[in-house]
Amino acid sequence: GQQVMQIPQYQHVQEGEDFTTYCNSSTTLSNIQWYKQRPGGHPVFLIQLVKSGEVKKQKRLTFQFGEAKKNSSLHITATQTTDVGTYFCASRPVRGGSNYKLTFGKGTLLTVNP
Amino acid sequence: NAGVTQTPKFQVLKTGQSMTLQCAQDMNHEYMSWYRQDPGMGLRLIHYSVGAGITDQGEVPNGYNVSRSTTEDFPLRLLSAAPSQTSVYFCASSLTGGRGEAFFGQGTRLTVV
Repeated sequence: GQQVMQIPQYQHVQEGEDFTTYCNSSTTLSNIQWYKQRPGGHPVFLIQLVKSGEVKKQKRLTFQFGEAKKNSSLHITATQTTDVGTYFCASRPVRGGSNYKLTFGKGTLLTVNP
Repeated sequence: NAGVTQTPKFQVLKTGQSMTLQCAQDMNHEYMSWYRQDPGMGLRLIHYSVGAGITDQGEVPNGYNVSRSTTEDFPLRLLSAAPSQTSVYFCASSLTGGRGEAFFGQGTRLTVV
């Protein structure tokens, strides 16, 4: 089945440093979503990317979707302690398969040292 | 607006017991799904439904049953609990056709002893 590989699994940074997590797929994706899960909480939707090469920004967060729609990244500039949590990418296959199944990467746990 | 509501929040079961995790949403979403979350494994899809009366298996369906008699409710049944089913379970829903963002419930932390 479709899999998205997410790296790194863990990232520890000093407050103020940048952070990036990557998702890669061997198959073309119809779109990709990013979620954040605070410790002890539930995943919360951040953004969805649909178009090839798309770049979206939310304050200090920058999301990119690759030209081939097989990879994506989330970059946080100047991390803050409020950024702590696990970041997941999630995707659905291109139409033709079961395009309702939302599959998640394993996530990147970000910890920030104040 | 309640969103997605899961009950119970915590549960301890003995091996072999059965139970039902409840999930309800009030957003009129057609797509609902169940995930389990284990350390280092991310969120793995157990079962999903694209509408009332329609369910299908995800990545890890064994040991679980679901039904979807109404748009609002999507219960997850553990037939005979095993320690390997100790996990945090999340229910999620999203708009028609499974598009758009997924809204998650608060989760159920299940321990099987």
